[in-house]
Amino acid sequence: DAGITQSPRHKVTETGTPVTLRCHQTENHRYMYWYRQDPGHGLRLIHYSYGVKDTDKGEVSDGYSVSRSKTEDFLLTLESATSSQTSVYFCAISEPQGKEDTQYFGPGTRLTVL
Amino acid sequence: AQSVTQLGSHVSVSEGALVLLRCNYSSSVPPYLFWYVQYPNQGLQLLLKYTTGATLVKGINGFEAEFKKSETSFHLTKPSAHMSDAAEYFCAVSPLINNNDMRFGAGTRLTVKP
Repeated sequence: DAGITQSPRHKVTETGTPVTLRCHQTENHRYMYWYRQDPGHGLRLIHYSYGVKDTDKGEVSDGYSVSRSKTEDFLLTLESATSSQTSVYFCAISEPQGKEDTQYFGPGTRLTVL
Repeated sequence: AQSVTQLGSHVSVSEGALVLLRCNYSSSVPPYLFWYVQYPNQGLQLLLKYTTGATLVKGINGFEAEFKKSETSFHLTKPSAHMSDAAEYFCAVSPLINNNDMRFGAGTRLTVKP
C-alpha cells in the first residue's frame, strides 16, 4: 500500500466553523490531490498540487482552499463549513513517469457538518 | 471534458457466477481508463488500468477489462465471483497526458450471494 495517511479520519463540526484536513505521504510523490465522494457522484476533484506551493483548482473547488508547504503534506481547508460539504474526503498521490500516472488513494476522512 | 457512465448502480450475482460491470466513457482524446475497488470504510484500490497497447487488461484478484474503442467501453469482468469481491467499483477516465482531470463514474455496488 502507498504510504498515505489522512487526519482526522472522522470529524463532526458545526456550520460556519473552519475545518482543516491533512494528507501526509511518505512516498515523495510530486502530485497530490483532494477529492470528495458523494453518493451518486463518484469522486470529484477539489484541488490538486504539482509541487511545493504549486496548486490548482479542480472540478468542485468553491468553498475550499489548499496549501502545500512540504512535499509530504497537503492540507485542505474549509474556511466556513456548510452542510453541503458533508462528505467523505480522499487524498491521492501520483508520480508521473512518462505516460504512467496512476493515482493511489488514502483511507479517507468522513466529515459531517451539522 | 471526459465523462464516465457506469450502467447499474447495484449488481448482484451468485458466488461462482460471472461478474460483469459496465463502463462507457466519453473522451475527446485517447483515454487512460481505470477500474478501482473500494471496500467498506476504506480508500480506493487500483484494480487495473489501460494506457496503450493490448486492449485486454488483466488486474488483481482475477479481474480483467477490455478496451473497445468502437464501443467506447471498458467493461470489467471476472469469470467466477467470490464472496470477498463484494465492494463498490469505480470506473475512471483521464486524458492521456494530464491526469489532473480524472473523471470517475458514480460507482457500482457489487453484492455476492452465497
